[in-house]
Amino acid sequence: AAGVIQSPRHLIKEKRETATLKCYPIPRHDTVYWYQQGPGQDPQFLISFYEKMQSDKGSIPDRFSAQQFSDYHSELNMSSLELGDSALYFCASSRSGTGSEQYFGPGTRLTVT
Amino acid sequence: QKEVEQDPGPLSVPEGAIVSLNCTYSNSAFQYFMWYRQYSRKGPELLMYTYSSGNKEDGRFTAQVDKSSKYISLFIRDSQPSDSATYLCAINAGGTSYGKLTFGQGTILTVHP
Repeated sequence: AAGVIQSPRHLIKEKRETATLKCYPIPRHDTVYWYQQGPGQDPQFLISFYEKMQSDKGSIPDRFSAQQFSDYHSELNMSSLELGDSALYFCASSRSGTGSEQYFGPGTRLTVT
Repeated sequence: QKEVEQDPGPLSVPEGAIVSLNCTYSNSAFQYFMWYRQYSRKGPELLMYTYSSGNKEDGRFTAQVDKSSKYISLFIRDSQPSDSATYLCAINAGGTSYGKLTFGQGTILTVHP
């Protein structure tokens, strides 16, 4: 079965640079969620989109922005990167009305040096 | 205090043992309860999903919810070395926070042959 696709899988950036993470949801899933997982920590919700509109917002820094496109893929844009942004970034997707059944992608490992 | 508290473990059990993983939560608005399994450096994998008090069984896995006590459990029967992973409980409030998952800290499980 098709799963959530994330790219790139690994990304190395320097402080103050920008990064763009991409997420392609499972076919027919219209809701996308972004989570950040630091080393040894549980995933923390950042932001979600339903039908291209922001549906919920968590502890996402102002330096980060995201959007969902007409084909339901989503991009997380991160600017002025800081060392503390180094983490695993997961995208999850679900069908509308089944928000609790979220299926996660493999993640993008971002390292800021 | 975190909204979701999970027994941190780690747990180490012999193959074939019954494993019990537990979480408590503080917000009675939480309606949907999930268990995820996460292998090292991989995305969380949805194991079980339930929204009512009681038991839900799927193969060797049983999820148990007690809303009156705000307590959820995952039981793994006949544990296998391949079950070695981090197990995360996740809870969704529904309503205005529909879709946002709040995770427990995770329990690292090792099943040794």
